[in-house]
Amino acid sequence: AQSVAQPEDQVNVAEGNPLTVKCTYSVSGNPYLFWYVQYPNRGLQFLLKYITGDNLVKGSYGFEAEFNKSQTSFHLKKPSALVSDSALYFCAVRDMFSGGYNKLIFGAGTRLAVHP
Amino acid sequence: SAVISQKPSRDICQRGTSLTIQCQVDSQVTMMFWYRQQPGQSLTLIATANQGSEATYESGFVIDKFPISRPNLTFSTLTVSNMSPEDSSIYLCSVLAENYGYTFGSGTRLTVV
Repeated sequence: AQSVAQPEDQVNVAEGNPLTVKCTYSVSGNPYLFWYVQYPNRGLQFLLKYITGDNLVKGSYGFEAEFNKSQTSFHLKKPSALVSDSALYFCAVRDMFSGGYNKLIFGAGTRLAVHP
Repeated sequence: SAVISQKPSRDICQRGTSLTIQCQVDSQVTMMFWYRQQPGQSLTLIATANQGSEATYESGFVIDKFPISRPNLTFSTLTVSNMSPEDSSIYLCSVLAENYGYTFGSGTRLTVV
């Protein structure tokens, strides 16, 4: 079965410091991986995705993620955190084996808190 | 990417009643999805709705409780029927556009009292 794991419920970082939000995946075949952010009382906003190509993917708001096949990871990173980055972050993988319906399977989410 | 308008944004409903949530997309899309996000939880897929066919429900979700309509390529509704407090959640619609661009609506925050 396809799945993603986000091992940290919460990540705390000081403003201006680099941040990493971790995600590992378990899939059969080549994974399609995604990161989304959810602000309070808002829907999900797309940050970036990995389909194929370069392992380093650059996305919205200065975020990037590195696809690491040997470690089955897709960690989200940002060189310098902002207080406004504080939100709930979800990693997701496309499910390719459930009747071809292309649904996304989400991790549990990681709450990022950036302190001034 | 596709832009989704989801209504209502929030509602407070009495137990035993039903609520219909609407999802309007600004472009034609084949695949639409309905998710539930219970308080403090991740997103769980309720069903996949393709135009011209019956919705496909995930394990644990049934059509009688969550009937879905998909009359055309830009619109879908999800009804939460015979509500109980356990149905209090955020409900989100999502579409799959080209190049695996999954877009989400802003969500409907439902409170059942």
